[in-house]
Amino acid sequence: GENVEQHPSTLSVQEGDSAVIKCTYSDSASNYFPWYKQELGKGPQLIIDIRSNVGEKKDQRIAVTLNKTAKHFSLHITETQPEDSAVYFCAATLYSSASKIIFGSGTRLSIRP
Amino acid sequence: GAVVSQHPSRVICKSGTSVKIECRSLDFQATTMFWYRQFPKQSLMLMATSNEGSKATYEQGVEKDKFLINHASLTLSTLTVASAHPEDSSFYICSAGLGGGARTDTQYFGPGTRLTVL
Repeated sequence: GENVEQHPSTLSVQEGDSAVIKCTYSDSASNYFPWYKQELGKGPQLIIDIRSNVGEKKDQRIAVTLNKTAKHFSLHITETQPEDSAVYFCAATLYSSASKIIFGSGTRLSIRP
Repeated sequence: GAVVSQHPSRVICKSGTSVKIECRSLDFQATTMFWYRQFPKQSLMLMATSNEGSKATYEQGVEKDKFLINHASLTLSTLTVASAHPEDSSFYICSAGLGGGARTDTQYFGPGTRLTVL
């Protein structure tokens, strides 16, 4: 089955700097890679996603890159703000609402003022 | 956008009590819903896949008789923790997708239910 590894487990950056979170997956059949942001005591919220037919996707300060050959994908947050502090999860699955989502272990991002 | 709700958001109960958690898709029909469990500072672990009108599919290691799942309609799935014990204390989260034959969309997560068993 699919296995997703995520690094780092914790990340602290100065406000205004960039943050990068990296993930690898094992199952080459996975074709959909969502990223979730989870604030304390809340459910995960989808912040950006990418399908395997695309190498990069950007939405304002957030971007995701995918290297299918290496089975790597990364989340990039630029111009970080205090409200970006949260736990971020990467995931891998099939592009189907009926498929299991396999989550990475999570990255706790802290933005220093 | 698609909205998933959970009720209750928080429950505290005595050991031996059964607790029911509801997961509703508010503005769409969900053929498939998923139930996750999350311990503090850990990732989400899939417990079971709930299909409308059929039995749930449980992940390895999850007790079917302990965590009873019912998906009676296209907008409602329930998770009942039978005879809860302190070790069942956790954050339970459901997700649902637009689903159907199109299979063209992702899943949307509920806000979670914090269960504390005394």
